[in-house]
Amino acid sequence: QKEVEQDPGPLSVPEGAIVSLNCTYSNSAFQYFMWYRQYSRKGPELLMYTYSSGNKEDGRFTAQVDKSSKYISLFIRDSQPSDSATYLCAMTLTNAGKSTFGDGTTLTVKP
Amino acid sequence: GAVVSQHPSRVICKSGTSVKIECRSLDFQATTMFWYRQFPKQSLMLMATSNEGSKATYEQGVEKDKFLINHASLTLSTLTVTSAHPEDSSFYICSAILANAQDEQFFGPGTRLTVL
Repeated sequence: QKEVEQDPGPLSVPEGAIVSLNCTYSNSAFQYFMWYRQYSRKGPELLMYTYSSGNKEDGRFTAQVDKSSKYISLFIRDSQPSDSATYLCAMTLTNAGKSTFGDGTTLTVKP
Repeated sequence: GAVVSQHPSRVICKSGTSVKIECRSLDFQATTMFWYRQFPKQSLMLMATSNEGSKATYEQGVEKDKFLINHASLTLSTLTVTSAHPEDSSFYICSAILANAQDEQFFGPGTRLTVL
């Protein structure tokens, strides 16, 4: 079993929809949780960085962490075609530690 | 955000040759850099952790004699794929830690290696 599970999709939504992306994990020691966006043939770009449980909002993006359920989510409001990419969740045990990544979810937002 | 660059962005080489990939933190000093490999439609797999001035720490299953890592300065780490073979063809991505309150990790744009 993988340490981090992420549904690979693909996920296709119409423009303006709310998108929900999720990951589950097995190691309760993870403390730092990240979401990255990766366009085709590009390196990942950090979207959200959250420590421990709770919510964090940045513009159209909201990250949620539920450590009791070992479940994290990324919500994208008013999705745009430019949001079409692969979204990777990642988590680390400690600050500046190596990250364990999910397999990524491929999202397509149709105009 | 902090900028990490990689060079080259794409390289094609013959089987048996060695290829060097550079990873630079452009506007900050990075005591720690990570090297990842990503196969098509798969996630990033950590290869090694590179610390400035010391030997890299390799993940299980990664051959340190094949993937040579040098982190000679606080802004530069290099990955050399020695005696490359077609199965080494992949997308190689580095990341660097920005040492602030959150120790955020920033990724380079990646290097696509194709071994013929």
